[in-house]
Amino acid sequence: QVQLQESGPGLVKPSQTLSLTCTVSGDSFSSDNYYCSWLRQPAGKGLEWIGRLYTTDGNTDYNPSLRSRATMSLDTSKNEFSLRLSSVTAADTAVYYCARARVVRGVDYGMGVWGHGTTVTVSS
Amino acid sequence: QSVLTQPPSVSGAPGQRVTVSCTGSSSNIGAGYDVHWYQQLPRTAPKLLIYRNTNRPSGVPGRFSASKSGTSASLAITGLQAEDEADYYCQSYDSSLRGYIFGSGAKVTVL
Repeated sequence: QVQLQESGPGLVKPSQTLSLTCTVSGDSFSSDNYYCSWLRQPAGKGLEWIGRLYTTDGNTDYNPSLRSRATMSLDTSKNEFSLRLSSVTAADTAVYYCARARVVRGVDYGMGVWGHGTTVTVSS
Repeated sequence: QSVLTQPPSVSGAPGQRVTVSCTGSSSNIGAGYDVHWYQQLPRTAPKLLIYRNTNRPSGVPGRFSASKSGTSASLAITGLQAEDEADYYCQSYDSSLRGYIFGSGAKVTVL
């Protein structure tokens, strides 16, 4: 059974860079084509998509509101993908999720596998 | 402010049928992009409930169904159960924004 697990610091200081990693177990990126996404959810609020990475060619798309600060990368040798979010403020405090959508012949089948989420607090 | 519009809350008695609407525009649902639905139980990660407009992943009960027409989509729960009390989100792709978009989420309450 495929599982995703987020990891990273739970506390980040304002103006610093938030770095998170999502480790995939029970499967490998070479087994199929996927969109790997990062999402976040502030306490009591809805889901916000941060960005996605296409495992076949490494292409990335980002939420326009975060594009200038977000960078995603893929490490197939470690079966993980990562997020870096620069210049964080208190508004970036949220539960961060990684998720994966299977892509078949260019068709996105929805984010069928999610991590449990990791809480990140931005505070000095 | 979400690109996809959902009602903040929907409620119904056990056994009733409830629907959650999801309204988009010509650059997302109306452009033909698929709609996916997610269920988020309290204090848990979202779970894919419906993929590609109408399809249920293995293990999702048959009382959940969905449809799509024009610039909107709809999720229906037939025979509402106490365990269905959760937040429900619709998600699609927007060609103008070049990325995923979500609805603001609808909280389903079982009376």
